[in-house]
Amino acid sequence: SAVISQKPSRDICQRGTSLTIQCQVDSQVTMMFWYRQQPGQSLTLIATANQGSEATYESGFVIDKFPISRPNLTFSTLTVSNMSPEDSSIYLCSVEGWREVYNEQFFGPGTRLTVL
Amino acid sequence: AQRVTQPEKLLSVFKGAPVELKCNYSYSGSPELFWYVQYSRQRLQLLLRHISRESIKGFTADLNKGETSFHLKKPFAQEEDSAMYYCALRVLQGGSEKLVFGKGTKLTVNP
Repeated sequence: SAVISQKPSRDICQRGTSLTIQCQVDSQVTMMFWYRQQPGQSLTLIATANQGSEATYESGFVIDKFPISRPNLTFSTLTVSNMSPEDSSIYLCSVEGWREVYNEQFFGPGTRLTVL
Repeated sequence: AQRVTQPEKLLSVFKGAPVELKCNYSYSGSPELFWYVQYSRQRLQLLLRHISRESIKGFTADLNKGETSFHLKKPFAQEEDSAMYYCALRVLQGGSEKLVFGKGTKLTVNP
């Protein structure tokens, strides 16, 4: 299994500013995922981050708005740029790991972002 | 397009009653389905997956390809089952795999 921590756990930000969310894993992983969970909505994948390469973004998400870094196999950051109230959401980091003979996705505790 | 539908946003049952959380999917490939659970103030975690065919915490789920369903069932609900439940579908897209989630069902088990 994998244990994931995220910083900050929550933040309240002003419109037009940017926030960088950190994700730390206790083991080396190839792929890390960033999700958004808007109020009352499901989890939506923003991008997949592989170490040593550029992140792959899902439809509707762009690098200028959500730049991602992946400097090593245990760490990643997601920046929410030029924020607006519509960016208020929970942002989740996730990794693939193994439990017994199956691989599964493990999730971090999330970062609750409120944009005023 | 791949899609996961959970028709019930809220589900409330009494302790000891059977519970069924519905999940339907749409996917042209070979489906791999999961149920994730999020208890109050805890992180999202995997409850069970269809390929393992396990019973976890008394919950089971059977993949029905004919009905494209993966409903989660438990014969006797407990108060500690109260949580948010998400059905998820693993899809292959653009050479990589990703999870597509339903909108979730909030289960409340009343004493």
